[in-house]
Amino acid sequence: AQSVTQLDSQVPVFEEAPVELRCNYSSSVSVYLFWYVQYPNQGLQLLLKYLSGSTLVESINGFEAEFNKSQTSFHLRKPSVHISDTAEYFCAVKARSGGSNYKLTFGKGTLLTVNP
Amino acid sequence: EAQVTQNPRYLITVTGKKLTVTCSQNMNHEYMSWYRQDPGLGLRQIYYSMNVEVTDKGDVPEGYKVSRKEKRNFPLILESPSPNQTSLYFCASSRDASYGYTFGSGTRLTVV
Repeated sequence: AQSVTQLDSQVPVFEEAPVELRCNYSSSVSVYLFWYVQYPNQGLQLLLKYLSGSTLVESINGFEAEFNKSQTSFHLRKPSVHISDTAEYFCAVKARSGGSNYKLTFGKGTLLTVNP
Repeated sequence: EAQVTQNPRYLITVTGKKLTVTCSQNMNHEYMSWYRQDPGLGLRQIYYSMNVEVTDKGDVPEGYKVSRKEKRNFPLILESPSPNQTSLYFCASSRDASYGYTFGSGTRLTVV
């Protein structure tokens, strides 16, 4: 079975500062990796994903994540955050589980709060 | 527009009164799943379905039922709701393993 650990439950930062949200996973099989974002009172939106190939993946709004197989990590970074980035961020892994369940296992989330 | 539609968005009910939360997707996805989100626990899978008439338990299935009679619909049924089922529920669908899920907007359920 796979598991996901998001090392920080809350990350407060100032606007225009860099940020890193940490994610580690464990799995006995190959995985796909995802970051989702949840803005207040909304559903989850896919931010970016790693399937294969280049270990650095980017989103359209300036976030990037790097897959590190040796450290089983998929940390999310942004060089300069905006107030509008305030949201909860979930790391997730997807692997075959129980035969045919393409189960998405989530971390417990990191609340990013960007202050002016 | 490709989407997953859940109804209702908000629901307050009493213990023991059967309820159904509907979920519909218009993307012809074979895979659908229900999750519940609780503070400090993240999202946990309740049930999933690989295709019509194929459903199975996730991590926290107790107290829930599902059905998949049509490809587009995957309702979540609480036969006898209890206060510990107060939660935020999300339906999601996916084309296959290499795709991320598309999530519905969520249903906030309160059982009193």
